[in-house]
Amino acid sequence: QVQLQESGPGLVKPSETLSLTCTVSGDSISSYYWSWIRQPPGKGLEWIGYIYYSGSTNYNPSLKSRVTISVDTSKNQFSLKLSSVTAADTAVYYCARDRHGGGYMDVWGKGTTVSVSS
Amino acid sequence: QSALTQPASVSGSPGQSITISCTGTSSDVGGYNYVSWYQQHPGKAPKLMIYDVSNRPSGVSNRFSGSKSGNTASLTISGLQAEDEADYYCSSYTTSSTSVVFGGGTKLTVL
Repeated sequence: QVQLQESGPGLVKPSETLSLTCTVSGDSISSYYWSWIRQPPGKGLEWIGYIYYSGSTNYNPSLKSRVTISVDTSKNQFSLKLSSVTAADTAVYYCARDRHGGGYMDVWGKGTTVSVSS
Repeated sequence: QSALTQPASVSGSPGQSITISCTGTSSDVGGYNYVSWYQQHPGKAPKLMIYDVSNRPSGVSNRFSGSKSGNTASLTISGLQAEDEADYYCSSYTTSSTSVVFGGGTKLTVL
């Protein structure tokens, strides 16, 4: 059974960099695509971007200048970095398995709440 | 990058059927059979209910079905049950920026 678990700081200061890691268990990360999605409080889902195990990436144009997604196949993990954060980046951040890059996300992590505040 | 358009809310009584629409463009919903639907209960992660327009993952009730006509996709839930009360999101592959786009979400209330 594939499981995903997000981890990282729950509080980030404005202008700093948000860093999260998603650990994949029950499946090798060396297949499929792996996505990050976020949900601001009381709002809808926003796709952040995805990475293929080979390292190729695709990002939401609205966040592209601030986002980096990377993969560590030796640890079966992939990571998200979002720079120059503001209060608007406060959200629940989810990692998910994307079956064919822009297709559908069939396994999701439970999500982690990140607040941006001084 | 515009979100797909969904009604903010729909409602129905137990046993009834409801349909949630998801309208996009020829660059996303209308151009590809890569529409998916997610159910989200409060405080929980989204759950995949339909993929590739009309396919159900293993374990999802056959009361859930998906379809598409032109630029509009639809999720139909038949035999409504109290446990179906949740938020529902559609998603599609899009070529407008080579990425993924979500709908704004629909709150389903079971009366």
